Order: sequence, then structure tokens, then C-alpha cells
Amino acid sequence: DGGITQSPKYLFRKEGQNVTLSCEQNLNHDAMYWYRQDPGQGLRLIYYSQIVNDFQKGDIAEGYSVSREKKESFPLTVTSAQKNPTAFYLCASTPLGSTINQPQHFGDGTRLSIL
Amino acid sequence: AQKITQTQPGMFVQEKEAVTLDCTYDTSDQSYGLFWYKQPSSGEMIFLIYQGSYDEQNATEGRYSLNFQKARKSANLVISASQLGDSAMYFCAMREDSFSGGYNKLIFGAGTRLAVHP
Repeated sequence: DGGITQSPKYLFRKEGQNVTLSCEQNLNHDAMYWYRQDPGQGLRLIYYSQIVNDFQKGDIAEGYSVSREKKESFPLTVTSAQKNPTAFYLCASTPLGSTINQPQHFGDGTRLSIL
Repeated sequence: AQKITQTQPGMFVQEKEAVTLDCTYDTSDQSYGLFWYKQPSSGEMIFLIYQGSYDEQNATEGRYSLNFQKARKSANLVISASQLGDSAMYFCAMREDSFSGGYNKLIFGAGTRLAVHP
């Protein structure tokens, strides 16, 4: 079955450490997104990518970095510059040029905590 | 300015009864889309229903329906015959067509936690 796989499900980060969250999709979607979710809040966009080797900052990109070397993969690195990284991270995708009624497909998320 | 407002942090409903979750939005676009997602405790986001700004009829998908009042800028989700498995967070989201061209940007509300009691 097609879908989005996020790993790991739980991740712990030490002070000053960079960590990378994996997102892989086999839906043949061109566009991919990373969101952050904090308790009691909606999702906020970190980065998005419409095609391979291209990505754009979202609303809260500071302290994060991404790469898009393959269509299927969109890893997110939480750098040491992100001072409050504890959150739930969700990856999503859509076909390129999707119509306005196209819903985003989501992975199961990664929960990141500080040690 | 907040674009999506969900004023109910938490809601309770008895099993088999109907419940309405509120969502109001703010946009100056004429063309936009409204989505509802369900997030169980496991964390995944499940798409439930969509309403387009030009749709003349309220959207329905099984037990889910939208009470869409365009003039009031509200798109309330109605869940009929609630089930225990409906207990989850529910998010309203909007896509404005001015952000189209491949970039499917969604703006999310803060969510409503629904608890279904037996």
C-alpha cells in the first residue's frame, strides 16, 4: 500500500546535538512538507519542497534544515540552533500542481524530546 | 491575524448522539478550500472531509457533514451517531487559492479534543 513512512517514532536529542528525522513516501508525489505540532496548537509549516533539489522555508524554519535529493525522501534535520525542539513532527505530501481540493497525506509522525 | 479559529478546546458527547465542532476562518480570497482532519492519540492525521468555497451544497462523507455558512465564514463539522472511536483531536484547515501553483499550503486551527462517552 502507498503511504508515507516516518522514522523513528520517538527520538531523543542531547544538548548541542543535531538529529535527523526521516520521511519516505511511495505515493509518487512531487510536493512534500514538514510540520511541527506543539501541545494545544495546530500544525505549523517548517519547510516544503515542490520538486527534487528545491525547497522553501515555511513559517518556522529557523533551527531546521532539509534536503531533497530524491523524489521519495525529504529528511528534516533539527539543528542545535533550535533551542526548543521538543515537539511532534509530521511529514506530508501532495501531487505537484494539485487542485485546491487535494488533501495532504500525512505520515504517523516523530516525537522528539530533549534529554 | 488568526486565519482559522476553533473556539472549543474540548467537547464531550454521548455515544450515538450528534456533535458539532466549530470552525471559523478569515480570508479575502474568493476561491479557497476547507479541510477537516482527525488526529487520534497515535498521532497520524486522517483526512475527513473537504468543502470548496464555490460548492453550492454542504459536503457529506458518511457520518461526517459540513455546515458551511459562507457569509459567516464558518465551516462546522457535524459528526452524527458518535462512536467511541471518534474520540480524537479534530483540526480545521484552509487552503487559499492564491497560494496555488503546486504549493498546497494549509493553515491549521488549534484543534478541538472530542471525547465520546459510552
